[in-house]
Amino acid sequence: SQQGEEDPQALSIQEGENATMNCSYKTSINNLQWYRQNSGRGLVHLILIRSNEREKHSGRLRVTLDTSKKSSSLLITASRAADTASYFCATQGNSGNTPLVFGKGTRLSVIA
Amino acid sequence: SAVISQKPSRDICQRGTSLTIQCQVDSQVTMMFWYRQQPGQSLTLIATANQGSEATYESGFVIDKFPISRPNLTFSTLTVSNMSPEDSSIYLCSVEPQADTQYFGPGTRLTVL
Repeated sequence: SQQGEEDPQALSIQEGENATMNCSYKTSINNLQWYRQNSGRGLVHLILIRSNEREKHSGRLRVTLDTSKKSSSLLITASRAADTASYFCATQGNSGNTPLVFGKGTRLSVIA
Repeated sequence: SAVISQKPSRDICQRGTSLTIQCQVDSQVTMMFWYRQQPGQSLTLIATANQGSEATYESGFVIDKFPISRPNLTFSTLTVSNMSPEDSSIYLCSVEPQADTQYFGPGTRLTVL
């Protein structure tokens, strides 16, 4: 299994601060994706970064990928209370209709 | 994108009984994936369901315990059989209607007493 590790397991910050979450994985990948989950509900797809990409932006999100270190980071800038959720990285080993392997997740609390 | 619904959204069941979870997608997809999320944990793949063939199960999951049906390209069911409290989890289905982006249903929260 290439299940990844994420750190920190829990992160608590003040509104307006930046939040950084890290993810490591074990085997080669086609892409890495980040998801958000609010209160044990369904997952929301945030951003995908392919193995030949090093950095990607989407709104207040910035994702980096270092395939040599088998690691990725998710940065949320100017956090809001509504960003409070669990964040998971997930890797896909092959392109196209293959299952995801999830990291353990980071629980983010943004305090207003 | 894809809109996915699951039924039921939650249930409380007695041990020894079975529950069938439905997953409906608003578009035709080749593969559907079933995941389990135990309390406070991450997601673990149970099986991959391909229309017209037997589901492929991950290590630790067997068909007798988690039978899956895939009668057409927009629908699948997962049954949790002979339940015990250890089966209390959120069960989620997902699909990949476009390359490399998987969408998840809202999940079914199962509590087994």
